Amino acid sequence: NAGVTQTPKFRVLKTGQSMTLLCAQDMNHEYMYWYRQDPGMGLRLIHYSVGEGTTAKGEVPDGYNVSRLKKQNFLLGLESAAPSQTSVYFCASSWGDRSDTQYFGPGTRLTVL
Amino acid sequence: KQEVTQIPAALSVPEGENLVLNCSFTDSAIYNLQWFRQDPGKGLTSLLLIQSSQREQTSGRLNASLDKSSGRSTLYIAASQPGDSATYLCAVAGNQFYFGTGTSLTVIP
Repeated sequence: NAGVTQTPKFRVLKTGQSMTLLCAQDMNHEYMYWYRQDPGMGLRLIHYSVGEGTTAKGEVPDGYNVSRLKKQNFLLGLESAAPSQTSVYFCASSWGDRSDTQYFGPGTRLTVL
Repeated sequence: KQEVTQIPAALSVPEGENLVLNCSFTDSAIYNLQWFRQDPGKGLTSLLLIQSSQREQTSGRLNASLDKSSGRSTLYIAASQPGDSATYLCAVAGNQFYFGTGTSLTVIP
């Protein structure tokens, strides 16, 4: 039981490049989330999903897209990376809605030059 | 918009001391409040979750309280140990999840 895993762990991009971050969970959780963590700002919700095939916007969705084609996977895409997207990205999952504990992945450190 | 504040930003205590971490939030319409631990370069680990109808939760040496009406939660750590050194974050679940910026705790042997 690996819990929540994230791929890759580190990535450096140039401005304008695109990439996809992969989150996978093996706990059969319905809900999945993408956050970014920046110094002095705490974690902020980017997008989330309440089940396979669904996605919704969080607090800071601009510049990101997501997809949940399979229940166990939640993908975060950057179509045209900007330096402001330099951050640590965390994925999380939970059984149900806001009342349930979230389980977090180890994070992806992204630098955009 | 919900604002979550944690004070102090950093705390250093000698081993064995009991300590309290604080979390305050501006909107009392919440589903629950969670306390997390984050070790350097790692993800978050959930410590305690308090539903909005509850006043406190306990797990081992940890006790978390919730006062929705005043917008406050505290995390009490008894008999602190060097292994407790980490950043502690609180998060409130409302229409979305909102996190505080954390308290960095150092327990000195």
